[in-house]
Amino acid sequence: SQKIEQNSEALNIQEGKTATLTCNYTNYSPAYLQWYRQDPGRGPVFLLLIRENEKEKRKERLKVTFDTTLKQSLFHITASQPADSATYLCAPYGNNRLAFGKGNQVVVIP
Amino acid sequence: IAGITQAPTSQILAAGRRMTLRCTQDMRHNAMYWYRQDLGLGLRLIHYSNTAGTTGKGEVPDGYSVSRANTDDFPLTLASAVPSQTSVYFCASSEGLAGGHEQFFGPGTRLTVL
Repeated sequence: SQKIEQNSEALNIQEGKTATLTCNYTNYSPAYLQWYRQDPGRGPVFLLLIRENEKEKRKERLKVTFDTTLKQSLFHITASQPADSATYLCAPYGNNRLAFGKGNQVVVIP
Repeated sequence: IAGITQAPTSQILAAGRRMTLRCTQDMRHNAMYWYRQDLGLGLRLIHYSNTAGTTGKGEVPDGYSVSRANTDDFPLTLASAVPSQTSVYFCASSEGLAGGHEQFFGPGTRLTVL
């Protein structure tokens, strides 16, 4: 069955450093992969989408990579700020639906 | 522009009762979705709709039903609630079902079934 893995442990990072999150998936080949941000008590908010033929996508301080051979996406937040503290969800699209990972919490320490 | 609204914000429900969660979008999106989010399990798709008049089953559809009478509304009904349906429910919409479309989420409904 399809499986999406994100680190269950929170990532604590000093303000100004780069946060890197990993998303691994197995048993399918998504054509797209999306990343969302979720704050406590709120719905997820879309951040970035990357296609299978794209290696990297950037948006302001965010960067996503997509390695279809490794079946992995990396999500980077450069020059992290306390306001970046949230849970980040990986969502590969395959088999006609978007499937969400459990999320990886990021805590940016001032 | 409100985006997606959900009602109620929260609800405590006795087991066996019927409950309808409401979802309305004002973006004229074709596709709509219902997810539940549980601690340790992440977001799981319950039902979806590609366009008004059509619905489909997601990963965890049992015990839930949906309808899509028009573009804007996508209610989720629990015919006879059970404690395992205690969860946070999110409605979402997108321009289409394909993975190239971002999904817009509502604020969620926190449901407790006792």
